[in-house]
Amino acid sequence: DGGITQSPKYLFRKEGQNVTLSCEQNLNHDAMYWYRQDPGQGLRLIYYSQIVNDFQKGDIAEGYSVSREKKESFPLTVTSAQKNPTAFYLCASSMESSRPPGANVLTFGAGSRLTVL
Amino acid sequence: EDQVTQSPEALRLQEGESSSLNCSYTVSGLRGLFWYRQDPGKGPEFLFTLYSAGEEKEKERLKATLTKKESFLHITAPKPEDSATYLCAVQDTGGFKTIFGAGTRLFVKA
Repeated sequence: DGGITQSPKYLFRKEGQNVTLSCEQNLNHDAMYWYRQDPGQGLRLIYYSQIVNDFQKGDIAEGYSVSREKKESFPLTVTSAQKNPTAFYLCASSMESSRPPGANVLTFGAGSRLTVL
Repeated sequence: EDQVTQSPEALRLQEGESSSLNCSYTVSGLRGLFWYRQDPGKGPEFLFTLYSAGEEKEKERLKATLTKKESFLHITAPKPEDSATYLCAVQDTGGFKTIFGAGTRLFVKA
């Protein structure tokens, strides 16, 4: 079945460490996204990519980095510069990149929960 | 700036007790308004897209409606399995990003 696979599901990080969250999709979607979810807050966009080898900062990109070397993959690195990284991270994809009409329906992965020790 | 506000934050219902969730939004131009369902510890699942005021969509016990400033998710005769967080989101015509509200946590008791 087509979908988005995120790994690991749970991750623990010591202060000062960089960690990488994996996101793979087999939906043949052009666009991919990373969101962060904190209790009581809406999903906040970290980075997004409309095509391979191109990506843009979202609303809270500081302390994060991404790459888009393949259409299927969009890994997120949480660097030591991110001061409060404990959160639930969601990867998503959508079929359309920026073509109107119609809106981009997002398909989400199951999420990765990062905890800083 | 695009903004989405959902109310109430939490809603507790008895099984069979119908109610509505509210989503107020501000966008320069609406490309689409979305409703998603999220179960604890999982990613959101798509429910509906609404494009213009007056549009309605239904799926089982759920019905979504849209005005120029608000959307409502009506839940008719809910069951315990409808318990989840319901997220509202918008995309505007000038951008590519999807902006989410904080969600409404729905609890349905048998």
